[in-house]
Order: sequence, then C-alpha cells, then structure tokens
Amino acid sequence: EVQLLQSGGGLVQPGGSLRLSCSTSGFTFANYAMNWVRQAPGKGLECVSTITNSGSNTYYTDSVKGRFTISRDNSKNTLYLQVDSLRDDDTAIYYCARGGGTTGGSLTYWGQGTLVTVSS
Amino acid sequence: DIQMTQSPSTLSASVGDRVTVTCRASQSFSTWLAWYQQKPGKAPKLLIYQASILASGVPSRFSGSGSGTEFTLTISSLQPDDFATYYCQQYVAYPYTFGQGTKLEIK
Repeated sequence: EVQLLQSGGGLVQPGGSLRLSCSTSGFTFANYAMNWVRQAPGKGLECVSTITNSGSNTYYTDSVKGRFTISRDNSKNTLYLQVDSLRDDDTAIYYCARGGGTTGGSLTYWGQGTLVTVSS
Repeated sequence: DIQMTQSPSTLSASVGDRVTVTCRASQSFSTWLAWYQQKPGKAPKLLIYQASILASGVPSRFSGSGSGTEFTLTISSLQPDDFATYYCQQYVAYPYTFGQGTKLEIK
C-alpha cells in the first residue's frame, strides 16, 4: 500500500522558517517525481514545487522562488520542503504528492496534509 | 505559467443528474490534464489523468474528454458521494497549475 506521511507543520512568526517532511512507503521512491501542493484556508490548490526522481531538477511557482527549497533523500524515501522567510499568505495546508513518473505527471497519491500557520 | 479556468464555479444538481464541468487552458497542450475530487478536510483524490483515463478504482460514471485548450469532466448519474469540489490540473509545464475549482452542491 502506498503511504505518504507528513510532518513538520505548525505556527511560525512572519519571517520564520520550517522544514516539512514527507515519509513514503509502498513504492520505489527513487523512480518518481514528487510535489508540494498547498491550499490556503477556503481557497483552491496551488502546486508550489516539483522535484524530479533523482533530485537533479527542481521547479517552483514564482511566489515562493528564493524562499522555499524542495529536496529529497532517496536513501530514506523522504521528501522535504524547507520554507524560509515565511509570510502571512503562506498560511495553508501543505500536501506532498507523488507524480506519475520520473519527471512529473499527474498527482497520483497524496499525503494527509500539514498545516502551516504564519502569524505574529 | 499556464492559466486554467474552470466553469462553473458552483454547480447545483440532484442525485441522478448528468453534470459537466469545463476547464479551459491559456495555452494548448494536447492531453496532459488531470481531474481531482476533494471533500472537506481531506486530501484531493485523482480521478482522471491524460484527460480521459480513469484512475484506479474510480467509478465508470466519471469520464473526461478534450484536448488542446478545452477539457470536460462529466458525471453521468450523480451519486450522493459525488458532492465535492473538483479541480482540473495541467502537468505539461512547470509550475503545474490548477483550475480554481468547481463546487458541486446538492440542489
């Protein structure tokens, strides 16, 4: 059974940092691209970052470039999102999601989500 | 970035109805499009990928079609479990982008 188990969210002040983690099992992690998708309260879905299966290529939506860093450890089957210089509008539920192939694809499996709240 | 626009934003329908949601893209990209269903408090669930292929375990009352810039999701006969929010998403170009969502409500 494919599982994506997230951790690392919480309350942080504006300008602060967090590291989100997504521990996976049930599939060969090194064979799939991975993504972080967020959803602000009452809003739609936004894909903030994608990383290819080897980690050699990363992509970000404009609003997080230079502040968020996606990474992966294929030896630990784990995906990460380092979020720095947080702003109020980064408040959201953050989901990790597995792609359909090595470089991307539809988001086939999702984690349970972790809430990041940015507030003073 | 490729902009995805869904219509309608809200749809009121009854059990047994046939409903269609439309998704339009700002650029043409063949069939690299997915549809997701999301229920309150839950993660999205993949319904359809490559515009028309049902994901594993998805009931056959769901179908997708289209290519280029216009895509549709059809539910042939609404069931009580189908009342949720639906999103389209392109995965041809980074960053992947979603439509704003269509909330399907009980009439």
